[in-house]
Amino acid sequence: DADVTQTPRNRITKTGKRIMLECSQTKGHDRMYWYRQDPGLGLRLIYYSFDVKDINKGEISDGYSVSRQAQAKFSLSLESAIPNQTALYFCATSAEGAYEQYFGPGTRLTVT
Amino acid sequence: GQSLEQPSEVTAVEGAIVQINCTYQTSGFYGLSWYQQHDGGAPTFLSYNALDGLEETGRFSSFLSRSDSYGYLLLQELQMKDSASYFCAVRLKRSGYSTLTFGKGTMLLVSP
Repeated sequence: DADVTQTPRNRITKTGKRIMLECSQTKGHDRMYWYRQDPGLGLRLIYYSFDVKDINKGEISDGYSVSRQAQAKFSLSLESAIPNQTALYFCATSAEGAYEQYFGPGTRLTVT
Repeated sequence: GQSLEQPSEVTAVEGAIVQINCTYQTSGFYGLSWYQQHDGGAPTFLSYNALDGLEETGRFSSFLSRSDSYGYLLLQELQMKDSASYFCAVRLKRSGYSTLTFGKGTMLLVSP
């Protein structure tokens, strides 16, 4: 079984809709991250959380919100989706003090 | 802010050696990481340099020179399966936290 899972894997939604992307991990890591990837732009950090009570904005948090429901679960929400949020979204985890991040399989989101 | 520059594309033939360079502008960072991504799949960790010098892991090596704000990933004995995108990333110090900032990626195309 995968250590970091994301649901859904693909989603098409309309402008203005609220959507939630979910991430779960079985690695026992405290630290979780959400990134978006656009063609030719690499991975950009949206939000990160270093424990259940800790939420921090990344480079591109506008238009997004997150919830850390438990150590193992970190959700990303788009309150009112817009077409330029069409992208590939990745969740990642890391252990405290570790430099390696483990990525989920990604969610491909299309906003029409 | 931080910026990382790496070539957008590199081509090579099977069995050859290829070097992917990464230059960066940042301050207060812990080290330089490299990740591999196949066809929009989950990025996977390859190597990390906290100190200047060369780190070797099998066919892959990574180098860091802090004085030159420069690093590279060296891939030897190239195989077709090495065709992928490669991202350098700086591990930043952020008020007691550490996060990754990624370059835009280098697509490596390995031909027979």
